[in-house]
Amino acid sequence: DAKTTQPPSMDCAEGRAANLPCNHSTISGNEYVYWYRQIHSQGPQYIIHGLKNNETNEMASLIITEDRKSSTLILPHATLRDTAVYYCIVSLYNQGGKLIFGQGTELSVKP
Amino acid sequence: IAGITQAPTSQILAAGRRMTLRCTQDMRHNAMYWYRQDLGLGLRLIHYSNTAGTTGKGEVPDGYSVSRANTDDFPLTLASAVPSQTSVYFCASSDWGQGRNTQYFGPGTRLTVL
Repeated sequence: DAKTTQPPSMDCAEGRAANLPCNHSTISGNEYVYWYRQIHSQGPQYIIHGLKNNETNEMASLIITEDRKSSTLILPHATLRDTAVYYCIVSLYNQGGKLIFGQGTELSVKP
Repeated sequence: IAGITQAPTSQILAAGRRMTLRCTQDMRHNAMYWYRQDLGLGLRLIHYSNTAGTTGKGEVPDGYSVSRANTDDFPLTLASAVPSQTSVYFCASSDWGQGRNTQYFGPGTRLTVL
């Protein structure tokens, strides 16, 4: 199983961009990178995913390095409501689409 | 559209009792999943189902069983609850396929086994 490594915590000032890094050096060619977040005690929420190209949606941007060994989730203008635990996950597509959650990064957005 | 519903919201259970956690989705997703989340930790997969009639084991399946008789429902049963099964349980579903595994999660069931 490909595993991910994330910093345990980060701070970000409100209105600034939050850049959350993730290392996945053992990722294989057909595995996608997914990002989810979990706001206190709620169910996780999907943010974005990608294979090798950079992706952007209404919530965030995902930058994947050319060698696919790492990625960065960017929240362009963080708000207090973005305070959450962010999980970077490599999807085991060929094993039933299971998601293996790590410890994630606890992002605190401060005023 | 409700998405995913779970019941009960919370439950206190005596050790040794049998308990079924219910999960229903109305998105016609083919795949469904059960996770547990212990205090301060990430989610761990218990069981999953790629399509009605099939199930598979996740990271921590011992002590739990599931069934998938139809597309919408995916109940999780604890045959004889133990205190170590105290946790928050999340159900999820996805329209799983090539490049697709966006999972949608329910609100969770908080279970305490005494």
